[in-house]
Amino acid sequence: GAVVSQHPSRVICKSGTSVKIECRSLDFQATTMFWYRQFPKKSLMLMATSNEGSKATYEQGVEKDKFLINHASLTLSTLTVTSAHPEDSSFYICSARKGEGDQETQYFGPGTRLLVL
Amino acid sequence: GQNIDQPTEMTATEGAIVQINCTYQTSGFNGLFWYQQHAGEAPTFLSYNVLDGLEEKGRFSSFLSRSKGYSYLLLKELQMKDSASYLCAAQDSNYQLIWGAGTKLIIKP
Repeated sequence: GAVVSQHPSRVICKSGTSVKIECRSLDFQATTMFWYRQFPKKSLMLMATSNEGSKATYEQGVEKDKFLINHASLTLSTLTVTSAHPEDSSFYICSARKGEGDQETQYFGPGTRLLVL
Repeated sequence: GQNIDQPTEMTATEGAIVQINCTYQTSGFNGLFWYQQHAGEAPTFLSYNVLDGLEEKGRFSSFLSRSKGYSYLLLKELQMKDSASYLCAAQDSNYQLIWGAGTKLIIKP
């Protein structure tokens, strides 16, 4: 099956620094990728939709200047958490969309655990 | 290697019961998740099992057997709105998620 990877798998950083998380579709091209944040009660919140070659679409309440998304190629999207604060500590998950319409499937990455000290 | 298997598609009748199975192989284990995803929407959390046994939440129940690397999601009194993809994901010893490809559930009247 299709594989989506994330790097790094976990990161610890100091408050005020920026952290970049990569999401790659390893065996298919994805014009659309999604970034989610998992909360302690396990729910997934969609943060933004990343479209190759264009600006990301952010969900209401997500600061676009804080969570920078770049989808520079058909296999790579990056999420940069700028000026990270302890409240940004979370588990970030990406997914990549393969196919369209009835044939559409989302493949999820393993997640990146961010801890901001 | 790590992997998860679940059926690609299942069909059931409105009002009936359906069981979606999931088998997994992971390096260590820190729980298993079930999510429901409607087309074009974000996944909705359904359940999280880390201990063996059955957990019931209304019409939905989830079962886990750690020794068998097996889980199932049981949906009772099916409604048309239950038509969706159901994702199984296991968390390994590093808390990384290994995702199944999802089971597309089709409910017929």
